[in-house]
Amino acid sequence: ILNVEQSPQSLHVQEGDSTNFTCSFPSSNFYALHWYRWETAKSPEALFVMTLNGDEKKKGRISATLNTKEGYSYLYIKGSQPEDSATYLCAFLDNNDMRFGAGTRLTVKP
Amino acid sequence: EAGVAQSPRYKIIEKRQSVAFWCNPISGHATLYWYQQILGQGPKLLIQFQNNGVVDDSQLPKDRFSAERLKGVDSTLKIQPAKLEDSAVYLCASSREAGTTGELFFGEGSRLTVL
Repeated sequence: ILNVEQSPQSLHVQEGDSTNFTCSFPSSNFYALHWYRWETAKSPEALFVMTLNGDEKKKGRISATLNTKEGYSYLYIKGSQPEDSATYLCAFLDNNDMRFGAGTRLTVKP
Repeated sequence: EAGVAQSPRYKIIEKRQSVAFWCNPISGHATLYWYQQILGQGPKLLIQFQNNGVVDDSQLPKDRFSAERLKGVDSTLKIQPAKLEDSAVYLCASSREAGTTGELFFGEGSRLTVL
């Protein structure tokens, strides 16, 4: 993988459902993996910055895992709420620059 | 602390016209970034400043885009002349240091439509 790829592109879930999405990135020259949440008409906000293989981070109902050897990170949302509706971006930092994926657009229906 | 400020939020121009976007980063943040986000794609780095020096402008279309950060604080990104494919959201971000694993702090973006 040369670029950062995110899947799925979009996701519609019901309130209360748990969901997860994937970020795939190059497995060489890894420095860090960032997750951002971007709500419509607002600025992207950092959720997690992950640097170590096997890292697991949690913020409320949202958590993330990191596998640098195989080049992927998962973002999990437990018990989705309408306010979780946003685009979730991951960004891969190597020794040259930071590259963003195209994002996963999550819509949570009440 | 105050966040990253950007203006204008929206701009509509015709092709071949010029446009300028302004960004004021978080106070004390040495590094400032301009990203271009085209609909359906991830943000793409246009230029990165460390204080008032350019760190990376390899993806900046220099025939039409220019950016400056004269006093190492706020920054301006200019497009002249604009093309249809420049329609995008232009995001400004700042961080305390460059080349670290620290998070980026983004502004709300400037949405450009070129007709």
